[in-house]
Amino acid sequence: DAMVIQNPRYQVTQFGKPVTLSCSQTLNHNVMYWYQQKSSQAPKLLFHYYDKDFNNEADTPDNFQSRRPNTSFCFLDIRSPGLGDAAMYLCATSRETGSPYNEQFFGPGTRLTVL
Amino acid sequence: GQNIDQPTEMTATEGAIVQINCTYQTSGFNGLFWYQQHAGEAPTFLSYNVLDGLEEKGRFSSFLSRSKGYSYLLLKELQMKDSASYLCAVYDSNYQLIWGAGTKLIIKP
Repeated sequence: DAMVIQNPRYQVTQFGKPVTLSCSQTLNHNVMYWYQQKSSQAPKLLFHYYDKDFNNEADTPDNFQSRRPNTSFCFLDIRSPGLGDAAMYLCATSRETGSPYNEQFFGPGTRLTVL
Repeated sequence: GQNIDQPTEMTATEGAIVQINCTYQTSGFNGLFWYQQHAGEAPTFLSYNVLDGLEEKGRFSSFLSRSKGYSYLLLKELQMKDSASYLCAVYDSNYQLIWGAGTKLIIKP
């Protein structure tokens, strides 16, 4: 089955210790997104890639970086996690941007705990 | 600013019908999505409306009125597994997806 996979599902890190979350997709979609979602809040878009073109949201902290080495994989790097970065991180894909009927497909998420 | 409003929480009884409302104020409109999100899991797509009217898909229906900036999700014959959060999201004029905070639906036997 075509899908979006995130690893790990649960990640524990220490304050200030860099951490990398990974996402892969078998849907062959052009667009990959990273969202941060805190409890009972809306998902917050951090950035997205259209193919290799990186699009950063204006209010995404510099502490968050991303890499997309190929169509299938995308990584979220948190350089110095703070307690406020504890959240669920959701990876999503879509076939295109800038067009209607363009649903996003989500991975299962990685829950990040910062000690 | 752009804003999506949904009730924070609703309670309904198994077998009944519930309507979850969503109102939006966005810069332009290019479609509205409803997603279901079980606790600790990722959102899953339920429906998409871009034209006014009702879209029916099994037990779930979604309605849109663009002139009123309003949508609702209607869930019929509620089952315990429908206990989840339901998120409304709108594509604005730049196809940025604006998300609501979600409505937590609690189903009681």
